[in-house]
Amino acid sequence: DGGITQSPKYLFRKEGQNVTLSCEQNLNHDAMYWYRQDPGQGLRLIYYSQIVNDFQKGDIAEGYSVSREKKESFPLTVTSAQKNPTAFYLCASSGTSGIPGETQYFGPGTRLLVL
Amino acid sequence: SQQGEEDPQALSIQEGENATMNCSYKTSINNLQWYRQNSGRGLVHLILIRSNEREKHSGRLRVTLDTSKKSSSLLITASRAADTASYFCATDEGSNYKLTFGKGTLLTVNP
Repeated sequence: DGGITQSPKYLFRKEGQNVTLSCEQNLNHDAMYWYRQDPGQGLRLIYYSQIVNDFQKGDIAEGYSVSREKKESFPLTVTSAQKNPTAFYLCASSGTSGIPGETQYFGPGTRLLVL
Repeated sequence: SQQGEEDPQALSIQEGENATMNCSYKTSINNLQWYRQNSGRGLVHLILIRSNEREKHSGRLRVTLDTSKKSSSLLITASRAADTASYFCATDEGSNYKLTFGKGTLLTVNP
């Protein structure tokens, strides 16, 4: 079964705590992405990675960090510097063809809530 | 930055009717895509139309693209209750892998 998995489905963060969201894909895609979605809103790009060991900031990178040590994995850490982290986080991947703007495949999402 | 903007924000129709959603964007694109999101779930790709195409069909979906007006429309024919979801358009920014999503149209199909 090919696809993208995200874990956990729900995550609770305490004040001042860093939390890490997992994203794994077995689609052999080069590019991976993290988006944030607030209620009634579209997706905003946090970080993206076109290749292993390389990543770029998206539109709202402040308070977040990522790593891309393996092609299959692109974890997102929500740091204590992110003051309003409550949101739905979506991971996606694309890009076996190398053409810009290719179809992205999304995971089921992680809902982060602040205690 | 918001590239695509969908219109209307919400649409409520009866089963069997057609649903039309529109998307406008600001800069030149290589292609435009439509995605669907059921409540609390990830997005699912529906259809991709390239900048040199004017119309594309996939099952009950019809997408048009007018690059001179920088707009696209998604038509769902003979809608079903299961079509109830949010629909997003997404555009690329030319030279990299990024997609920029609009805020979406919430479609409700009443049985």
